Amino acid sequence: QKEVEQNSGPLSVPEGAIASLNCTYSDRGSQSFFWYRQYSGKSPELIMFIYSNGDKEDGRFTAQLNKASQYVSLLIRDSQPSDSATYLCAVSWGFSGGYNKLIFGAGTRLAVHP
Amino acid sequence: DAGITQSPRHKVTETGTPVTLRCHQTENHRYMYWYRQDPGHGLRLIHYSYGVKDTDKGEVSDGYSVSRSKTEDFLLTLESATSSQTSVYFCAISVYGGDNEQFFGPGTRLTVL
Repeated sequence: QKEVEQNSGPLSVPEGAIASLNCTYSDRGSQSFFWYRQYSGKSPELIMFIYSNGDKEDGRFTAQLNKASQYVSLLIRDSQPSDSATYLCAVSWGFSGGYNKLIFGAGTRLAVHP
Repeated sequence: DAGITQSPRHKVTETGTPVTLRCHQTENHRYMYWYRQDPGHGLRLIHYSYGVKDTDKGEVSDGYSVSRSKTEDFLLTLESATSSQTSVYFCAISVYGGDNEQFFGPGTRLTVL
């Protein structure tokens, strides 16, 4: 059973705080992990990807991967109201014999209030 | 903007009618995908293509067919639309395919009455 789980939220954080978004997945063989941001009524936009255990930083965003625990997270530092959106976690998945597709979680809605 | 357009952007149709959605890309990428997005389900893969005339099924392919006669166009057809196919449909492209990143088009909101 392919599963990528995210808390639907909303996750409410004050402006300037750190927002922590979490994602768990069920296939130990998954190798690629992505975070997308989706504003209401818009299409998903890629913001981070990570392939190796540990942290990867890009500006205010940090992706964290722990393959042993099958857990990937996204930290957003100095959260701004413009960060208010739904964040989708995507994980590579075995399909037709290879890890060649992405499976998406249902997303976590983040609300940053002034 | 990955040079992806979708048409139409909005469509209302009746149960039982055929519907074709079009995805057009300007970058000549090999890999293209069709997803649907429904509340509580996230994005689910309908069909994908790894080249002209090369397509395969995703996890929710029943009731849908696709065609790719040119690199730049990937068509999704609902052969006989049902109310359960009311959804937002996204096309995506990938430069390298496989488990690499994908980039999404603007989406088509389809309502089947």
